[in-house]
Amino acid sequence: DGGITQSPKYLFRKEGQNVTLSCEQNLNHDAMYWYRQDPGQGLRLIYYSQIVNDFQKGDIAEGYSVSREKKESFPLTVTSAQKNPTAFYLCASSIRGKGDTQYFGPGTRLTVL
Amino acid sequence: AQTVTQSQPEMSVQEAETVTLSCTYDTSESDYYLFWYKQPPSRQMILVIRQEAYKQQNATENRFSVNFQKAAKSFSLKISDSQLGDAAMYFCAYRKETSGSRLTFGEGTQLTVNP
Repeated sequence: DGGITQSPKYLFRKEGQNVTLSCEQNLNHDAMYWYRQDPGQGLRLIYYSQIVNDFQKGDIAEGYSVSREKKESFPLTVTSAQKNPTAFYLCASSIRGKGDTQYFGPGTRLTVL
Repeated sequence: AQTVTQSQPEMSVQEAETVTLSCTYDTSESDYYLFWYKQPPSRQMILVIRQEAYKQQNATENRFSVNFQKAAKSFSLKISDSQLGDAAMYFCAYRKETSGSRLTFGEGTQLTVNP
């Protein structure tokens, strides 16, 4: 089955630690995106990538880093510089063209202890 | 910058009735796309419906339809014959016509369906 997978579903981190959230897709999509969702709020864009080995900052990139070494994978690292990382993180992907629709993975809930 | 506003934080509807969720947006672009996504308790974001701004005809998907008013920058979602499974958070989203553009989301409307 084609789709987007995110792992883990739940992640706990101690303050001062870096953690990496996984996002994989087998839809042959060129573009991938990371969003953050806080309780009762909409989604905010962290980073996005339209092609392999290229990515751009979104609206709230500070304290986060990404890589795009493979078309299928777009991992997000939450660094210790992110002051309030507890949130729900959603990964999405789309074809790269006019009218492309973004499809979402199931998300990762990150909690800082 | 584009903004999307959903003025109804919460809405409720009786099962089998019709409900309309409101969304307005601000843009200087003439070509763009609008979306409604549904987020049930599982928190998976599910595409409900999509509208191209250059199309005058309102999009429909089974029980879901939109009222797209381009001049007013309004994009409401109508859910007919509401079902218990429709209960979710609904997000309106905008993206420019340019390939690979980001989505800008509204704050969401929590829909409750009463049996």
